[in-house]
Amino acid sequence: GDSVTQMEGPVTLSEEAFLTINCTYTATGYPSLFWYVQYPGEGLQLLLKATKADDKGSNKGFEATYRKETTSFHLEKGSVQVSDSAVYFCALKAGAQKLVFGQGTRLTINP
Amino acid sequence: DAGVIQSPRHEVTEMGQEVTLRCKPISGHNSLFWYRQTMMRGLELLIYFNNNVPIDDSGMPEDRFSAKMPNASFSTLKIQPSEPRDSAVYFCASRGETTEQYFGPGTRLTVT
Repeated sequence: GDSVTQMEGPVTLSEEAFLTINCTYTATGYPSLFWYVQYPGEGLQLLLKATKADDKGSNKGFEATYRKETTSFHLEKGSVQVSDSAVYFCALKAGAQKLVFGQGTRLTINP
Repeated sequence: DAGVIQSPRHEVTEMGQEVTLRCKPISGHNSLFWYRQTMMRGLELLIYFNNNVPIDDSGMPEDRFSAKMPNASFSTLKIQPSEPRDSAVYFCASRGETTEQYFGPGTRLTVT
């Protein structure tokens, strides 16, 4: 079945550091890929998405590129801020089916 | 737009009691999802509805859990009887014609 594997956390960085959170997937067909973010005490929010190979999703300084050849959708940000501290979820959706989420990666940014 | 509305935000109950969680999806959305989040198991999809009809309830843990969607603007998740291992944050999400799911703020359930 479809699945998503994320880099294990927690991840702790200093402010202004470069961030990468790895995400790989297994799916039949050509899924849409997503990154969701969950701030403390809140529900998940869509951060960015890509619907076909080589698409780049971007939002709030975060980027991820849909790589079909490596079945990956790694999340990157060039300079993180304390306010980026949250849990990040990679997810896929194939066809009309439900979203399949990774296990989440907790990110903490220290000032 | 008010977003997905869930109530209550916090619920504390004793083992054996019935618990009902409520969700109002975003107006116009035709799919609704119930998730459970715990530290041990992460985010789990319990059940989802399309046009008020349950499509996939394979994630419902056992018969103590039931979900209904009597109309397009309301859904409930009921646990009867509740057990301490049901303690978790329960999220409702809705989706319209696009692929994006919008999540509610969650209900934090504590069963003592």
